[in-house]
Amino acid sequence: AQSVTQPDIHITVSEGASLELRCNYSYGATPYLFWYVQSPGQGLQLLLKYFSGDTLVQGIKGFEAEFKRSQSSFNLRKPSVHWSDAAEYFCAVGARAGNNRKLIWGLGTSLAVNP
Amino acid sequence: GAGVSQSPSNKVTEKGKDVELRCDPISGHTALYWYRQRLGQGLEFLIYFQGNSAPDKSGLPSDRFSAERTGESVSTLTIQRTQQEDSAVYLCASSSTTSGDTEQFFGPGTRLTVL
Repeated sequence: AQSVTQPDIHITVSEGASLELRCNYSYGATPYLFWYVQSPGQGLQLLLKYFSGDTLVQGIKGFEAEFKRSQSSFNLRKPSVHWSDAAEYFCAVGARAGNNRKLIWGLGTSLAVNP
Repeated sequence: GAGVSQSPSNKVTEKGKDVELRCDPISGHTALYWYRQRLGQGLEFLIYFQGNSAPDKSGLPSDRFSAERTGESVSTLTIQRTQQEDSAVYLCASSSTTSGDTEQFFGPGTRLTVL
């Protein structure tokens, strides 16, 4: 069955520290891959997405993610976290073919940033 | 409109009452999704309208839940005989195509509280 796993429910980092949020998926073929962020009091916003080509993709707010086919992973990274990055982060995958292209979502990782 | 809008933003109702939630997608967007997000949890897929194809209703939790969409316009999610466990934020999203590579744009959500 198709699934997305975000192993870390909650992560706390210090401001200025590096960040990596994990995402693993189970899918029949390489899917489209997304990271969304949900900031307190705000709606869900797309951070970045992978379709094809370079496996390291750049997104907004200084985030990047690397697609690793051998590990079925699409981990999100940021070299230096800012207090405003505290939010809920969701990984999602989408089908490249077939009649139903709805996204499959992970349960999210809550990020807290210490000053 | 400029983005996805949802109404009402907040709804408090008594157990057993019916409620209707509305979503106005971005003009021209073919696909429309409804999700439920319980407090502190991830996105729970409810229903997916995919253009002229039959909607994917596989996520609706019970027959008390139903949704309609006319063409590529407004959608309404109806919950009949509400229960306390229906309390959640209901999110609507739309995308320009039904392809799995297309970004979903989210509305601000409707917070439903069932007393």
